[in-house]
Amino acid sequence: AAGVIQSPRHLIKEKRETATLKCYPIPRHDTVYWYQQGPGQDPQFLISFYEKMQSDKGSIPDRFSAQQFSDYHSELNMSSLELGDSALYFCASSLGGWELAGVSYEQYFGPGTRLTVT
Amino acid sequence: GQQVMQIPQYQHVQEGEDFTTYCNSSTTLSNIQWYKQRPGGHPVFLIQLVKSGEVKKQKRLTFQFGEAKKNSSLHITATQTTDVGTYFCAGPTNYGQNFVFGPGTRLSVLP
Repeated sequence: AAGVIQSPRHLIKEKRETATLKCYPIPRHDTVYWYQQGPGQDPQFLISFYEKMQSDKGSIPDRFSAQQFSDYHSELNMSSLELGDSALYFCASSLGGWELAGVSYEQYFGPGTRLTVT
Repeated sequence: GQQVMQIPQYQHVQEGEDFTTYCNSSTTLSNIQWYKQRPGGHPVFLIQLVKSGEVKKQKRLTFQFGEAKKNSSLHITATQTTDVGTYFCAGPTNYGQNFVFGPGTRLSVLP
């Protein structure tokens, strides 16, 4: 079965550079979530999109922006990179983004992009 | 804001022993999800609990949702080396538009 695709898998950037991470959700999934996971930490929610519209925002720095395109793929743009931005960035997708009668949709995580800022 | 806590942070068990991780939320949850992340891997959805007091089983894994829908537990019977990983609970906020993950419990299983 098709899974969530993320590219690139590894990225090395220098401070103050920019980076773009891409996410291709599972076909027919209309919701994308972005998470940042530091070493030994839990995934921290950054932002989500439902049907190409931003649906919620978490702890995403102002230096970061994201969007979901007409084909439902999403890109996370990161500017003025800092050392502290080094982390694993996961994208997850789900079929439906809103709770229905208390039930959420399960999220399928991609393999992640490991960003190293030097 | 909503906080999700998990204990213990780490657990080392001998293969064949049981393991339990506990998840507590600062607010009532509409549902709770559990994920497993293997070392070097990505989180993988295990289960979702919705009803108060709900208990679900997946082979050797038993998941429970508290009556007040603020806590949950995951119990593994007779652990195996394949159970190694970090187990996260996650609760939805904002009608499911984002999720708050607990800090996770890292399980090590000694053969």
